[in-house]
Amino acid sequence: QVQLQESGPGLVKPSETLSLTCTVSGGSISNYYWSWIRQPPGKGLEWIGYIYYSGSTNYNPSLKSRVTISVDTFKNQFSLKLSSVTAADTAVYYCAGWTQLWARFDPWGQGTLVTVSS
Amino acid sequence: SSELTQDPAVSVALGQTVRITCQGDSLRTYYASWYQQQPGQAPVLVIYGKNNRPSGIPDRFSGSSSGSTASLTITGAQAEDEADYYCNSRDSSGNHVVFGGGTKLTVL
Repeated sequence: QVQLQESGPGLVKPSETLSLTCTVSGGSISNYYWSWIRQPPGKGLEWIGYIYYSGSTNYNPSLKSRVTISVDTFKNQFSLKLSSVTAADTAVYYCAGWTQLWARFDPWGQGTLVTVSS
Repeated sequence: SSELTQDPAVSVALGQTVRITCQGDSLRTYYASWYQQQPGQAPVLVIYGKNNRPSGIPDRFSGSSSGSTASLTITGAQAEDEADYYCNSRDSSGNHVVFGGGTKLTVL
């Protein structure tokens, strides 16, 4: 059973870059498109983007200019970088596996809260 | 704004049937997936494809689709079904992923 675990700083200063890593265990990193999704406090889910193990990426057009998702197949990890953050980027960030065939997210990590504040 | 539209809130009496809907042009082409999110927890996939339930999801959850509307039906709602529900699919171009705004389900 594939399990995901997010890690990274819980506090980021405005204008800096948010960096998170998701570690994949219990399965092959080649089986999914690895995704980042976020949820601001009290609000809905927003897809950030995904990466395939080959390195091909797909980003939400509204965030594309600030987002980079990368993968390290040797470490079974993938990462998110979001630049020039503001308070509006404060959210719980989830990593998840996307299956293209079914257009579904499963599994999910537990999520990690990132607060943007000075 | 999301390309998938959900009612913000729905309520159902305990043991009754409730339908949660998700509207969007892309649903004429692509299926929706549905997620249940309990407070403070990560979303959980409950329905995907035409009407598929992952292992461990009770059979009172079912999915359907007609035109530009996808529906999640809970037949015999239980107290533990009180949660937020999100739909997701591809956008109209088919190139990106979108979520609905979510529906808060209250079980009375």
